[in-house]
Amino acid sequence: GAGVSQSPSNKVTEKGKDVELRCDPISGHTALYWYRQSLGQGLEFLIYFQGNSAPDKSGLPSDRFSAERTGGSVSTLTIQRTQQEDSAVYLCASSPPGPAISPLHFGNGTRLTVT
Amino acid sequence: AQKITQTQPGMFVQEKEAVTLDCTYDTSDQSYGLFWYKQPSSGEMIFLIYQGSYDEQNATEGRYSLNFQKARKSANLVISASQLGDSAMYFCAMRESSGYSTLTFGKGTMLLVSP
Repeated sequence: GAGVSQSPSNKVTEKGKDVELRCDPISGHTALYWYRQSLGQGLEFLIYFQGNSAPDKSGLPSDRFSAERTGGSVSTLTIQRTQQEDSAVYLCASSPPGPAISPLHFGNGTRLTVT
Repeated sequence: AQKITQTQPGMFVQEKEAVTLDCTYDTSDQSYGLFWYKQPSSGEMIFLIYQGSYDEQNATEGRYSLNFQKARKSANLVISASQLGDSAMYFCAMRESSGYSTLTFGKGTMLLVSP
């Protein structure tokens, strides 16, 4: 079946512009996660959705970052007034309903470069 | 306090040899899961193996096994008969069962397999 799909795969934007990153999770997966990975670093948790609700947004680095999820499916991560330090790979993951302890399935990420 | 610690920034191994990647964790939950992911240079996050805190036997998946020592809070990944294609970044991660259940990652270990 189809995996987690992210678009675009690459995005180059000028400092100060807004960007939208899209994630389409695996069908039936109720939980959706956004992570950020800077060059050569580990994964930094940003936000988690259960259905359309975001129980925890504490990982969002600033109020320039926001995310929404509609219909319990597609999610959009928006970064306003991008800064060079926002350059990173943004990874989306989803997991199925049921017991909390199950692996996350990751998309291939969006590589964001802010010039 | 760091929840997942990977003390080896880089490891080198010769093809066909076994290698152990270290991981220690910190949690007060009784129920949790431990995961290992592989990230090749292409950037995708590949789920390798899972160990539940109540599992009495060490998890195995093909050439991968997880050396789980609960009292020491360690969950080392053992790769037997290394292959050139095993060269990648390896992340240890934990998911706790209390509250919402995101995945917390270590900083990773870069494994290089030489001929």
